[in-house]
Amino acid sequence: KQEVTQIPAALSVPEGENLVLNCSFTDSAIYNLQWFRQDPGKGLTSLLLIQSSQREQTSGRLNASLDKSSGRSTLYIAASQPGDSATYLCAVRLDAGGTSYGKLTFGQGTILTVHP
Amino acid sequence: ETGVTQSPTHLIKTRGQQVTLRCSSQSGHNTVSWYQQALGQGPQFIFQYYREEENGRGNFPPRFSGLQFPNYSSELNVNALELDDSALYLCASSSTGWTDTQYFGPGTRLTVL
Repeated sequence: KQEVTQIPAALSVPEGENLVLNCSFTDSAIYNLQWFRQDPGKGLTSLLLIQSSQREQTSGRLNASLDKSSGRSTLYIAASQPGDSATYLCAVRLDAGGTSYGKLTFGQGTILTVHP
Repeated sequence: ETGVTQSPTHLIKTRGQQVTLRCSSQSGHNTVSWYQQALGQGPQFIFQYYREEENGRGNFPPRFSGLQFPNYSSELNVNALELDDSALYLCASSSTGWTDTQYFGPGTRLTVL
């Protein structure tokens, strides 16, 4: 059974800091890994998607890396801003050979607070 | 291109009642997945519908059921509501069964008293 863990559970940083969020998963036979942002009480916004054959993806100040063999991904946020405050979730989709259909398995999230 | 929409936004029910939540998928998408997100937790997969057929189910009891219509919109029905069913229910659509990125709606907040 795929399990996804995110560390830390919460993080508070001053504006301008670079930071790293961690995600680990137990089954390395993944199809892809996705990072989402969730504002309080709202739906999920996709930030980055990394296919299993890729090592990293970048979008603006965000960079996500994937080490499939060790079951780890990191989300790097450069020059953090108060508007980055949200919960960040990672989710994995198992490889096509599994019976996962389109199922995403999520971590519990990291609550990020960036204070001015 | 319209995004994924869900209705209602909020809902309050009492234990034992039944509830129906609705989701309109993004234009051109034929696959809808439903997730339950309890407070402080990550979303949990309930089930997925592809071309009006259920093609995947998570660890949820049969009182959680769904439908997908010819226009690919979808309903989630929950019977015999329990207090633990209080959660944010998220719907996600994609253009194929499992290969494509899923796009999430804003969710329906269900409170069971």
